[in-house]
Amino acid sequence: EDKVVQSPLSLVVHEGDTVTLNCSYEVTNFRSLLWYKQEKKAPTFLFMLTSSGIEKKSGRLSSILDKKELFSILNITATQTGDSAIYLCAVLSNAGNNRKLIWGLGTSLAVNP
Amino acid sequence: DAGVTQSPTHLIKTRGQHVTLRCSPISGHKSVSWYQQVLGQGPQFIFQYYEKEERGRGNFPDRFSARQFPNYSSELNVNALLLGDSALYLCASSWGTEETQYFGPGTRLLVL
Repeated sequence: EDKVVQSPLSLVVHEGDTVTLNCSYEVTNFRSLLWYKQEKKAPTFLFMLTSSGIEKKSGRLSSILDKKELFSILNITATQTGDSAIYLCAVLSNAGNNRKLIWGLGTSLAVNP
Repeated sequence: DAGVTQSPTHLIKTRGQHVTLRCSPISGHKSVSWYQQVLGQGPQFIFQYYEKEERGRGNFPDRFSARQFPNYSSELNVNALLLGDSALYLCASSWGTEETQYFGPGTRLLVL
């Protein structure tokens, strides 16, 4: 059965710390891996990764995919209280005509001042 | 440009009733996906539609159905509501079936 596992489930840090969030997957017909940030409402898109070893970067956030070891990491440097959210990882699977996103449970990040 | 819109924002129903949720994708997007998110969990995939055809289906009972219209908007229907159907229902649109999905604000359904 396809699955996406995120770790840790919860994380509390102080402002300025660097955090690394993990996402491992076992999915047939992998197409891409996506990271989302969810605060009080719907998830907002962060990154889409399809190739191994190519880092994607946006400000203090960066992410990389390892398709051999089947995992991705999301790094946040110099964290701010506004980074407090649930970070969701999802893998796009394409099996024939059946395409779906398989989601992890998320990592809840709390950044304290 | 308007993002993904969903209606209604909140809804309260009783067991056994049916509900219709609506979604309008971002202009130019041809694919709509529906998700159910229960408090404390990640979104669970329900359906994906592209060009009015179903392209993906998650592990949900037949009480859940959906359709996509020629203008690419979509409806999610749930029949014979159960208490466990209480959740945030998210709609996401994308240009195609494999591109990045952008979420709407969701419809929060409460079944009493």
